[in-house]
Amino acid sequence: EVQLVESGGGLIQPGGSLRLSCAASGFTVSSNYMSWVRQAPGKGLEWVSVIYDGGGTYYADSVKGRFTISRDNSKNTLYLQMNSLRAEDTAVYYCAKDNRGPFQWGQGTQVTVSS
Amino acid sequence: DIQMTQSPSSLSASVGDRVTITCRASQGIRSDLGWYQQKPGKAPKRLIYAASSLQSGVPSRFSGSGSGTEFTLTISSLQPEDFATYYCLQHNSYPLTFGGGTKVEIK
Repeated sequence: EVQLVESGGGLIQPGGSLRLSCAASGFTVSSNYMSWVRQAPGKGLEWVSVIYDGGGTYYADSVKGRFTISRDNSKNTLYLQMNSLRAEDTAVYYCAKDNRGPFQWGQGTQVTVSS
Repeated sequence: DIQMTQSPSSLSASVGDRVTITCRASQGIRSDLGWYQQKPGKAPKRLIYAASSLQSGVPSRFSGSGSGTEFTLTISSLQPEDFATYYCLQHNSYPLTFGGGTKVEIK
């Protein structure tokens, strides 16, 4: 059974950094496309980033240059390193296994950027 | 970037009603579109992929159609558990983009 468990969220001051983790089970992260999607309070869904099985990456313009997606094959875990955080990055962050778009989702982790 | 315009943004309907939600892409995306359902406090759930293919385990009252720039999600007979927010997503090119969402409420 596929399971995705996000962690690492919390309250962080503007300009700070945070690393989100997504521990996967039931499949191999490195053999799949994996995405991060976020949802600001009361708002719609926003795609953030993807990492291909081959290692290539793409980012939304809103996070490009500040966020980095990566994975640790030995831990079967996906990461999102978030730097220079802004108030508008406040959201629930979901990781998802991607197959023609995000397909199987974790439960999400809350990130709040506030002073 | 490809813009996805979803309509309506909300609707009120009764159990048993037929419901239709539309997404329009700013440029052609072939059939590279999915439909998602999200309930409050929960992760989204994909209902439809490749514009018209039903995700495994999803009830057959859900259906999708369209290609190119116009797409439709239809719920043939609305059930109590279908009251939720629905989103389309294009995966034709990066950045992936979602529609703005349609909240389906009880009339």
